[in-house]
Amino acid sequence: DIVLTQSPGTLSLSPGERATLSCRAREPISSDYLAWYQQKPGQSPRLLIYGASSRAAGIPDRFSGSGSGTDFTLTIIRLEPEDFAVYYCQQYNTSPWTFGQGTKVEI
Amino acid sequence: EVQLVQSGAEVKKPGESLKISCEGFGYSFPAYWIAWVRQMPGKGLEWMGMIFPADSDIRYSPSFQGQVTISADKSINTAYLQWGSLKASDTATYYCARQVGYPNALDVWGQGTTVTVSS
Repeated sequence: DIVLTQSPGTLSLSPGERATLSCRAREPISSDYLAWYQQKPGQSPRLLIYGASSRAAGIPDRFSGSGSGTDFTLTIIRLEPEDFAVYYCQQYNTSPWTFGQGTKVEI
Repeated sequence: EVQLVQSGAEVKKPGESLKISCEGFGYSFPAYWIAWVRQMPGKGLEWMGMIFPADSDIRYSPSFQGQVTISADKSINTAYLQWGSLKASDTATYYCARQVGYPNALDVWGQGTTVTVSS
């Protein structure tokens, strides 16, 4: 299985600040088959980014994804109050698809 | 509107069997993969496996192979996840999610089904 390691585990920030979340794969993910999801307490995950850098439908442009190979980043510029949540990366390059352990963005 | 609607919460005893469902609305259900994802209490997301309803092609995570059965009935736009003998460690919320093409991310998620296994 491809292991994904997210860092940091928790990110403490204020509204208006920039968040930078990291996702590192133990082996290269070809074709940038890497996605990011947001999950708020009591809710289902929501797709934010696919293909490492493409925003899903309806996702605000303050969310952006970048990276390739083994190192990927989710950036949220100007955090809004509704952005405080847990974020997961997922690879769908090699079966079984796997998720990172999550990064909590808290106030 | 594209939606996945899951069956309701379940409370079961160890050793009992269970089948939960995920019904698709607003799109051509047979033509998209449906994945199942586990989330144990307070923990992260785990991909369990997926099915292509058009031909019932199924892929399991090795971690879940033999522990659960994934199936689908394309005539009623519904996918299933079932257990033959539940354990306390199966207590979790289970999500179904749609995958557009292969491979791809999971773009639409069900609301989750909470399964509690306790004696």
